Amino acid sequence: DTGVSQNPRHKITKRGQNVTFRCDPISEHNRLYWYRQTLGQGPEFLTYFQNEAQLEKSRLLSDRFSAERPKGSFSTLEIQRTEQGDSAMYLCASAHDGGVTPLHFGNGTRLTVT
Amino acid sequence: QQPVQSPQAVILREGEDAVINCSSSKALYSVHWYRQKHGEAPVFLMILLKGGEQKGHEKISASFNEKKQQSSLYLTASQLSYSGTYFCGTEPTGANNLFFGTGTRLTVIP
Repeated sequence: DTGVSQNPRHKITKRGQNVTFRCDPISEHNRLYWYRQTLGQGPEFLTYFQNEAQLEKSRLLSDRFSAERPKGSFSTLEIQRTEQGDSAMYLCASAHDGGVTPLHFGNGTRLTVT
Repeated sequence: QQPVQSPQAVILREGEDAVINCSSSKALYSVHWYRQKHGEAPVFLMILLKGGEQKGHEKISASFNEKKQQSSLYLTASQLSYSGTYFCGTEPTGANNLFFGTGTRLTVIP
């Protein structure tokens, strides 16, 4: 169990650019979540995958955000035409399927949009 | 759907006790508790399922009142290592995700 891995750890980009983050979950975990966290706030739900299927997406997520999980393994989160309001920590979490199980979080990708 | 936590912040001396509350407006299936230290990922503490169960982990325990859709986290004889921000994550009935509260910042001083 090597834990949830996220890359890159930090990303600085200019407004209007596209960015992509990667998450490698714990290998036997079927469920994968993306959250966004800003300073002083709790993690805000973005989207959820069960294997390769994206089962839920927050209504707060604009069309500029898209996530994929090809083959049910790693996942990518892409933000197009970034805005300064997108600056945040993007957290990925995975969980084992089968009932209520804890989320294991990665260390996150900190995005700064200038 | 975000749960409400109280208090927002608390300062304790080593050995003192604290209670953190979490309340939801939705019918809940489960409540999770996590602790996050500055610059680190949230770390799982415990899960409570509906049924009003209570769980404990060393000197940290929690309860879940499903009628009131409320959960409380109890920290007894606090240690310096307990410092951090505590989040409750609520799983509404029929949902497949967790909604996190705004957190309670706990500081334990010598």
